[in-house]
Amino acid sequence: AQSVTQPDIHITVSEGASLELRCNYSYGATPYLFWYVQSPGQGLQLLLKYFSGDTLVQGIKGFEAEFKRSQSSFNLRKPSVHWSDAAEYFCAVGVRGGADGLTFGKGTHLIIQP
Amino acid sequence: EAGVAQSPRYKIIEKRQSVAFWCNPISGHATLYWYQQILGQGPKLLIQFQNNGVVDDSQLPKDRFSAERLKGVDSTLKIQPAKLEDSAVYLCASSHRTGLAEQYFGPGTRLTVT
Repeated sequence: AQSVTQPDIHITVSEGASLELRCNYSYGATPYLFWYVQSPGQGLQLLLKYFSGDTLVQGIKGFEAEFKRSQSSFNLRKPSVHWSDAAEYFCAVGVRGGADGLTFGKGTHLIIQP
Repeated sequence: EAGVAQSPRYKIIEKRQSVAFWCNPISGHATLYWYQQILGQGPKLLIQFQNNGVVDDSQLPKDRFSAERLKGVDSTLKIQPAKLEDSAVYLCASSHRTGLAEQYFGPGTRLTVT
């Protein structure tokens, strides 16, 4: 079965600084990969996804992520964070050819310092 | 377009009571998902519907949880009887097709079992 690990429970970043959130997955083949953001009281919003092709994917709100097969990673990055980026971030994996419910990591809570 | 609607937003019940949650997906979306998100964890898929048929319910605790989508539109998730460990946010999501199309999430129902 597939699994997702987000090693960092909390990350604190100063406003304007760069950000990288880590995600590692376990799956026997090339998975579908997603990053979602969840703000307090809000539903999950898709930031970006990787299905195939270019391993560097661009998303909404200035986020990007890079798929690295050799490291089984799909880290999320943003060059300059804004206070409004404070939220919970979830990495998720989907299985090719199966029922397509997603398997989520436990999330990383992003805190933005002024 | 209107997003995924869920009600109620909050519910407090005592253990051994029953509870039901309602979800109305985005118009035209054939696929509907129910996820359970326990505090501090990522969402976990409970059940996936394609129209009014069940695609995957392998993680649904069928001794106490049930779900239906009788007309292939809105859906109800029921817990009977509830246990303390059922305290969680129940998220509904929909997508316009299977094959890992983007899932759009509702705001969730926060259940507290006392």
